[in-house]
Amino acid sequence: DGGITQSPKYLFRKEGQNVTLSCEQNLNHDAMYWYRQDPGQGLRLIYYSQIVNDFQKGDIAEGYSVSREKKESFPLTVTSAQKNPTAFYLCASMAGDQPQHFGDGTRLSIL
Amino acid sequence: AQSVAQPEDQVNVAEGNPLTVKCTYSVSGNPYLFWYVQYPNRGLQFLLKYITGDNLVKGSYGFEAEFNKSQTSFHLKKPSALVSDSALYFCAVRVLSSGSARQLTFGSGTQLTVLP
Repeated sequence: DGGITQSPKYLFRKEGQNVTLSCEQNLNHDAMYWYRQDPGQGLRLIYYSQIVNDFQKGDIAEGYSVSREKKESFPLTVTSAQKNPTAFYLCASMAGDQPQHFGDGTRLSIL
Repeated sequence: AQSVAQPEDQVNVAEGNPLTVKCTYSVSGNPYLFWYVQYPNRGLQFLLKYITGDNLVKGSYGFEAEFNKSQTSFHLKKPSALVSDSALYFCAVRVLSSGSARQLTFGSGTQLTVLP
């Protein structure tokens, strides 16, 4: 079945460490998105990509970086510059004007 | 700029009773509206959408939503709630044919609890 796979499901970061969250889709969607979810704040857009080798900052890009070298993959790196990284991270993809499809998320915590 | 408001953080309803989860929006242009549901530690699941046409939209699991342009609202409804409907519900909007990155703006979410 087609879908979006996020890994790992749980991730722990030490102070000063960069960590990378994986997002892979086999839906052949052009657009991919990364959101951060905090309690009571809904979803906030971190980065998005409409085509391979191109991406744009969302509303809260500071302290994060992404790459889009393949259509299927859109990894997110949480850098040490992100001082409050504890959150639930969601990846989504979309084709045309269809609804976004979401992965099951990665929960990042600080050690 | 586009925005979405879900005025209720929490909605409680008895099983078998009708439920309503409220959503209002603000966009410059024609809105493209969505409802999603999220269960604990899972991603968002699409419920229904409105683009154009009939103001009453029917979606998955017996849910429906009514688009009201004059009140800029898109409330989610279900005639008879089930305990299994208990979850976090998100309303989202973007501008149709914006030519931009087709970004969605999400509301803050409403936790629905259906009491047995």
